[in-house]
Amino acid sequence: GAGVSQSPRYKVAKRGQDVALRCDPISGHVSLFWYQQALGQGPEFLTYFQNEAQLDKSGLPSDRFFAERPEGSVSTLKIQRTQQEDSAVYLCASSSGQAYSNTGELFFGEGSRLTVL
Amino acid sequence: AQSVAQPEDQVNVAEGNPLTVKCTYSVSGNPYLFWYVQYPNRGLQFLLKYITGDNLVKGSYGFEAEFNKSQTSFHLKKPSALVSDSALYFCAVRDDDMRFGAGTRLTVKP
Repeated sequence: GAGVSQSPRYKVAKRGQDVALRCDPISGHVSLFWYQQALGQGPEFLTYFQNEAQLDKSGLPSDRFFAERPEGSVSTLKIQRTQQEDSAVYLCASSSGQAYSNTGELFFGEGSRLTVL
Repeated sequence: AQSVAQPEDQVNVAEGNPLTVKCTYSVSGNPYLFWYVQYPNRGLQFLLKYITGDNLVKGSYGFEAEFNKSQTSFHLKKPSALVSDSALYFCAVRDDDMRFGAGTRLTVKP
């Protein structure tokens, strides 16, 4: 597609439920990033992929958070046993360039807003 | 690890006046710096970046930014603000991944 696509745009979950958020990056983009953004705050880094390899997952807040990109394209962020503090907008971004290229801008999707009741 | 700081939570300017949104950075290697804008309920949109070369970089919508190595700053500027510029602005620095500042809310009043 023309841009980064995320689904669902809005998700309401009951505390304790598992959720899965999908990201479809720009075709051919090697790098894929997940961020968590609380209301009125800056995006906080969660994890980073180069193709199918998860190179950095240092930002994942707990072992309830899991991300994958098995074929180096679409990525899924999974949150198990959701808690109220998980409520946020989850942003996905992709970037072109070869592995470890760090000069390219990121292209963002519109985000998935998760509300945990 | 790389980081950026945006010292102002909010900036208010009158339409037609120049605007500046401040950013300082901390990196161990070469600084690759970016500015993004976010409108309500939208993702982030790229404005401009500094990689190397001229310290004054020009970007989208009439915005520009000045890289200052001695002050480790990368302030966003626009000569004449528009009401439609009102939004959240984020400075970012990239190593392998990209790290963002906390954001500055710009309000341009008619």
